[in-house]
Amino acid sequence: KAGVTQTPRYLIKTRGQQVTLSCSPISGHRSVSWYQQTPGQGLQFLFEYFSETQRNKGNFPGRFSGRQFSNSRSEMNVSTLELGDSALYLCASSLGPPAGELFFGEGSRLTVL
Amino acid sequence: GIQVEQSPPDLILQEGANSTLRCNFSDSVNNLQWFHQNPWGQLINLFYIPSGTKQNGRLSATTVATERYSLLYISSSQTTDSGVYFCAPSQSGSARQLTFGSGTQLTVLP
Repeated sequence: KAGVTQTPRYLIKTRGQQVTLSCSPISGHRSVSWYQQTPGQGLQFLFEYFSETQRNKGNFPGRFSGRQFSNSRSEMNVSTLELGDSALYLCASSLGPPAGELFFGEGSRLTVL
Repeated sequence: GIQVEQSPPDLILQEGANSTLRCNFSDSVNNLQWFHQNPWGQLINLFYIPSGTKQNGRLSATTVATERYSLLYISSSQTTDSGVYFCAPSQSGSARQLTFGSGTQLTVLP
């Protein structure tokens, strides 16, 4: 069974640009969550999608957005990139409510110059 | 929101030694997972353990939800156990919105 797939694995952007990251969950999983990891703030919850609807959102500005497609694949977008957005972005897959166990992908490492 | 404290922050062991990592949380939880982050950044599931005790090979975990703590035991440590270990509980309302501790950096020396 394939795991959680994130693309791209590495990318470099400049300030002011926007970026889109993609996540394909484990087959049969319908919930996708996104987390940001930085050296200063650690791992922080961004948002969760289930059945194409955002279910929960963390404390991040509106520049961070996401969506989920009917096949459960998810994308997150960061607009008007700032230096502080440099981070490892991790996607997690779950069966969906009420299941709570998350399975993470390898992450997308974003560098903003 | 829930506060999560992990201890110790750093741990250096000789290969073959045993260790206990602790996770304290400030509120009742409906989900708790332990992860090992590998050198490439991926979070590897160790345990899904909102309560009780589980064992998987040389690793075991115990969560005492009523006393708001969880423990991860590593026995006969190996160099491949090195990395960062995270505890991540979630509160009722969304089992999938995890709050991560700051982690324990484990180094196992040969």
